[in-house]
Amino acid sequence: GESVGLHLPTLSVQEGDNSIINCAYSNSASDYFIWYKQESGKGPQFIIDIRSNMDKRQGQRVTVLLNKTVKHLSLQIAATQPGDSAVYFCAEEPNTGANSKLTFGKGITLSVRP
Amino acid sequence: DTGVSQDPRHKITKRGQNVTFRCDPISEHNRLYWYRQTLGQGPEFLTYFQNEAQLEKSRLLSDRFSAERPKGSFSTLEIQRTEQGDSAMYLCASSLVKHTDTQYFGPGTRLTVL
Repeated sequence: GESVGLHLPTLSVQEGDNSIINCAYSNSASDYFIWYKQESGKGPQFIIDIRSNMDKRQGQRVTVLLNKTVKHLSLQIAATQPGDSAVYFCAEEPNTGANSKLTFGKGITLSVRP
Repeated sequence: DTGVSQDPRHKITKRGQNVTFRCDPISEHNRLYWYRQTLGQGPEFLTYFQNEAQLEKSRLLSDRFSAERPKGSFSTLEIQRTEQGDSAMYLCASSLVKHTDTQYFGPGTRLTVL
């Protein structure tokens, strides 16, 4: 199948280790942020989201951290598994409360070593 | 499987031909979005609908592109007189309008223009 990971930065981690994927967003007016996971040949899959009135949100094995001061978003994956291997995108929603278009960051390929 | 379906999954066409893609959103979702993704890049917004109304179009959507959502359910995206630069993955997403929502993506239609 095709790869959406061509020419993207790659993070390589050992299975069982924690992964941290970072993203810088562009619009200080954005108030909603989402992390998506994309496997080869598939559409983006929702992982976790966070609003700008929060700085941390936890899900199952994943945590998103938001630093509005430096416009930085990170995704932490605990106990990384081979099935976590994919391209990860952060996305921001620029229009406050308007539920409109998403602007995606550059993807990062996560490669999990067995 | 997010519940968003797209058809066809793959389309190969010759330059100059017209193509049409279909997206069926999650049934109760009133917003439907089209994005385009090229290899190594994140998805880029093209257009979106709330029910039948097309509320926003990106400058990426040239005159050769048209999208419809006639009954507020499924949507079609047509590209006329295809060019090689139209080769990309066309992604559809849907969401339910509320203060904070999430866009759920379909598997995409991979277009190759020869």
